[in-house]
Amino acid sequence: QVELQQSGPRLVKSSQTLSLTCAIFGDSVSSSDSAWHWIRQSPSRGLEWLGRTLYRSHWHYFYAESVKGRITIKPDTSRNQFSLLLNSVTPEDTAIYYCARNLRPDFDFWGQGTLVTVSS
Amino acid sequence: EIVLTQSPGTLSLSPGDRATLSCRASQSVSSGFLAWYQQKPGQAPRLLIYGRSSRATGIPDRFSGSGSGTDFTLTITRLEPEDFAVYYCQQYNNSWTFGQGTKVEIK
Repeated sequence: QVELQQSGPRLVKSSQTLSLTCAIFGDSVSSSDSAWHWIRQSPSRGLEWLGRTLYRSHWHYFYAESVKGRITIKPDTSRNQFSLLLNSVTPEDTAIYYCARNLRPDFDFWGQGTLVTVSS
Repeated sequence: EIVLTQSPGTLSLSPGDRATLSCRASQSVSSGFLAWYQQKPGQAPRLLIYGRSSRATGIPDRFSGSGSGTDFTLTITRLEPEDFAVYYCQQYNNSWTFGQGTKVEIK
């Protein structure tokens, strides 16, 4: 059974960087089958996919156009986790952030979610 | 980007009723790339159906998925008290998008 545990600050000031971490249990961030994603949810934007990383002989990254240029996903093999960095945040980035895994095109395991509030 | 539109926005039903939820895509979606999730307050979405019609591990057989092309359906044959929740469809076609959700509430 896979478990994803999220951590990180719940309050971020405008123009600063949002940083969250997702620790993986029961799988490996460098698995040749799995991919690791960040998704957020807000009343105004609904569920919004942000980006993913996966390892297939080397690391691959893929980001949503809506946040490209502001987002970085960083795998950490020594701690078996991956992180989300979203810079230059505004109050519109206030949302519940989830990490998730996929083996297929769907997401089979999700983190518990972290409500991040961006203060102006 | 493929836009998914779910209907109705809210479904008011009683336990034991049949629920039929619709998900319409702005362009054709490969059947293998359409999934459904259930979300309850304060929880992360939970995978119900993947590949259009395959039930995820532990999902009871009263949940079923069908459809093709741009029109997909989630059916719950007999609503149990724990089925009242919000349901989302999701697709993959170069990128991942979700519908806006259908709330199934107790009538």
